[in-house]
Amino acid sequence: DTGVSQNPRHKITKRGQNVTFRCDPISEHNRLYWYRQTLGQGPEFLTYFQNEAQLEKSRLLSDRFSAERPKGSFSTLEIQRTEQGDSAMYLCASYPWGVPSSDEQFFGPGTRLTVL
Amino acid sequence: SQQGEEDPQALSIQEGENATMNCSYKTSINNLQWYRQNSGRGLVHLILIRSNEREKHSGRLRVTLDTSKKSSSLLITASRAADTASYFCATAPGGGTSGSRLTFGEGTQLTVNP
Repeated sequence: DTGVSQNPRHKITKRGQNVTFRCDPISEHNRLYWYRQTLGQGPEFLTYFQNEAQLEKSRLLSDRFSAERPKGSFSTLEIQRTEQGDSAMYLCASYPWGVPSSDEQFFGPGTRLTVL
Repeated sequence: SQQGEEDPQALSIQEGENATMNCSYKTSINNLQWYRQNSGRGLVHLILIRSNEREKHSGRLRVTLDTSKKSSSLLITASRAADTASYFCATAPGGGTSGSRLTFGEGTQLTVNP
């Protein structure tokens, strides 16, 4: 499977716990994005990387959230001290910047987080 | 906050009918894209229209863009039950390079009844 993969697909945690999600982009896609989607809403941009550099962060990304892409391949998104308001679907997407393309971002299946 | 607003929020039609969804946005754009999302899953790219284009077709899809009104519409012709999904418009900011972050609308839930 050469698509974007995300793990885990589902995560249930108790308020106050830390959680970490992983995204594996399409190989050789140098841009990687994180979005958050709450029920009944469209995805909201959180942050994106070009290779290992984090180029932009949304104001939605509070200091409890941290994202990394240490080797420019997979990325992790960690949420510390989770709150019930963090319950959402976390989507990852990748894109081959610098290669003539259609500007399409390729999305993974998402990680659904439920904070009890 | 979401830049895009879509209407209707929900649309229910019979198989074979056409479905039209509209999207409005607020700031300048480089391009506008439409994505489909089946229940609880990731998004699938459908079609992209650039800011200097007015209409584009892909199979049963037709998208229009009116930059003066900051609006777009997606038409799905001859709908099928398999088209049942949520449809989102997404804009890439004007002046940005390719691969910029996307701003999504709130989506239209389309139900196609067999």
